[in-house]
Amino acid sequence: DAGVIQSPRHEVTEMGQEVTLRCKPISGHNSLFWYRQTMMRGLELLIYFNNNVPIDDSGMPEDRFSAKMPNASFSTLKIQPSEPRDSAVYFCASSFRTGGSYGYTFGSGTRLTVV
Amino acid sequence: DQQVKQNSPSLSVQEGRISILNCDYTNSMFDYFLWYKKYPAEGPTFLISISSIKDKNEDGRFTVFLNKSAKHLSLHIVPSQPGDSAVYFCAASVDNAGNMLTFGGGTRLMVKP
Repeated sequence: DAGVIQSPRHEVTEMGQEVTLRCKPISGHNSLFWYRQTMMRGLELLIYFNNNVPIDDSGMPEDRFSAKMPNASFSTLKIQPSEPRDSAVYFCASSFRTGGSYGYTFGSGTRLTVV
Repeated sequence: DQQVKQNSPSLSVQEGRISILNCDYTNSMFDYFLWYKKYPAEGPTFLISISSIKDKNEDGRFTVFLNKSAKHLSLHIVPSQPGDSAVYFCAASVDNAGNMLTFGGGTRLMVKP
């Protein structure tokens, strides 16, 4: 299995532009999570999906952020308009929600820089 | 309000010595705890976990200790190796279904040769 695949690996954009981050979870996993890593706050949960349905989006910072999961193999996190304070590493993770002790499998992350 | 806290942002240890990383939590409903390890430019990877019914879990050089009354857990690495240099995240969940992990802020461990 190729693991959780995120694209792009790096994104540099100007303030005010729309940014779309992409994630392909591990096949068979039915939960998907978007996290943001910053120096100040560590790993913050933004939103998670179970069976493609958003379950908890209370971590989404503002209406500028939106996430979709149109099918079991693809999810997007969109920021529109982007701001410099959105600069961070964004991780996608997936898990098979039937128990077990291994938690999530993370992707390699997308490093977003908004200038 | 951070429910999982790692109060030491960094730790430096000599190779061969013991590394002790600490984590505190506030939510008494947490019953499953995990440690993740993260190298630069990579996603976090699972390291070791412990259920609240245990107070210790060991896997090779890695041991996690849980003190429920103090709401405290720690990760011991012995002996420490330079390859252990990474950021370590503590995480907790209400169940062991891999669902809704709450992470601490991370501790950067540097193991000096």
